Amino acid sequence: GAVVSQHPSWVICKSGTSVKIECRSLDFQATTMFWYRQFPKQSLMLMATSNEGSKATYEQGVEKDKFLINHASLTLSTLTVTSAHPEDSSFYICSATFGDEQYFGPGTRLTVT
Amino acid sequence: GENVEQHPSTLSVQEGDSAVIKCTYSDSASNYFPWYKQELGKGPQLIIDIRSNVGEKKDQRIAVTLNKTAKHFSLHITETQPEDSAVYFCAASKDFNKFYFGSGTKLNVKP
Repeated sequence: GAVVSQHPSWVICKSGTSVKIECRSLDFQATTMFWYRQFPKQSLMLMATSNEGSKATYEQGVEKDKFLINHASLTLSTLTVTSAHPEDSSFYICSATFGDEQYFGPGTRLTVT
Repeated sequence: GENVEQHPSTLSVQEGDSAVIKCTYSDSASNYFPWYKQELGKGPQLIIDIRSNVGEKKDQRIAVTLNKTAKHFSLHITETQPEDSAVYFCAASKDFNKFYFGSGTKLNVKP
């Protein structure tokens, strides 16, 4: 089956620094990937749709300049949280569409101190 | 946009009993309805899905039903086992474009 990986699985950073999270489709090419954010005991909130070779499409209320998304190849999308603050601490999950199903990565736990 | 509601938020059953989780959606154009299982600290995993041209689908102990007229779909787990304990999410999508998730159901199967 299709496998999506994320790196790192967890990261701790200081307030004001930037953090990059990678999402890779390991055995398939994904023209579209999605980034979600999940708070503890809550549902997944779609942040943006990442399209290979073009700009990401952000959901309403998501700051484009804060959450930079780059989909540089058919197997890699990155999410950079810029000037991170404690309120950015969350579980970030990516997914990719393969055929007619969506496969999720294992998630990245970001803690901003 | 699409709005997906999920009930109950928590569900506790005895091992061997059945569990039912229900979701409603608002956008009649949605045509794909997956269910995901999420264990603590992990990403969601697809367990079963149904498309709008089908009313019911079954895979061993798991089944999903869809009522397009009423715009609701349900997950049925029979003969529950302790390893079924997790958080379950329903979702709705139009043409696999964007996926909108329900609020989740924490299922606890007591041995």
